[in-house]
Amino acid sequence: QSALTQPASVSGSPGQSITISCTGTSSDFGPCNCVSWYQHHPGEAPKLMIYDVSDRPSGISNRFSGSKSGNTASLTISGLQAEDEADYYCTSYTSSDTYVFGTGTKVTVL
Amino acid sequence: QVQLQEAGPGLVKPSGTLSLTCAVSSDSFSSINWWSWVRQPPGKGLEWLGQIYYTGSAHYNPSLKTRVTISLDKSKNQLSLRVNSVTAADTAMYYCARHLSYSFGFWGQGALVTVSS
Repeated sequence: QSALTQPASVSGSPGQSITISCTGTSSDFGPCNCVSWYQHHPGEAPKLMIYDVSDRPSGISNRFSGSKSGNTASLTISGLQAEDEADYYCTSYTSSDTYVFGTGTKVTVL
Repeated sequence: QVQLQEAGPGLVKPSGTLSLTCAVSSDSFSSINWWSWVRQPPGKGLEWLGQIYYTGSAHYNPSLKTRVTISLDKSKNQLSLRVNSVTAADTAMYYCARHLSYSFGFWGQGALVTVSS
């Protein structure tokens, strides 16, 4: 299975909003709304930010939101802050009972 | 709070077997859950290796299926990973994770494994 496609990098100024896309095939996104997003700071464990396309785990800021249309999922970070600078990965549960990660996006806060 | 901790040899010889364990907090391990292993080679992205249900039913990444085995030991509150016939391409940080719905909700801190002679 091939990785989901994400832009290599996205940048924005503090306070701005940015959106990261995650594109795959209909098989990649399977029969359910099973897309999740992870924030990964170097040297730390990845952190779940969004699950089931648009749900936030307890403790995650509402500045993070997710959506999906067709074969593209998106993560939006609003009110960008310096601490948001990290790598972000999407993942999806596929129609083959497997998971596939995205290629990863480096977010830079200017 | 769910706690997971990976452990195992940090160095494995080429063609050998990589073996890691993941210790899980007892209350979490007794409940109905899926568990996964994920890895990240140096300078590369995340890669899902496979998942196992509390019943022992497992699914694997097709690209690694013939080399990867994931198992549970409920008596030890432990999740295990074995990767056979390793090469330098298997050098990576390896993470165990407990699922939250169809996502990896809780992660261990990771274990770095280097494949080298």
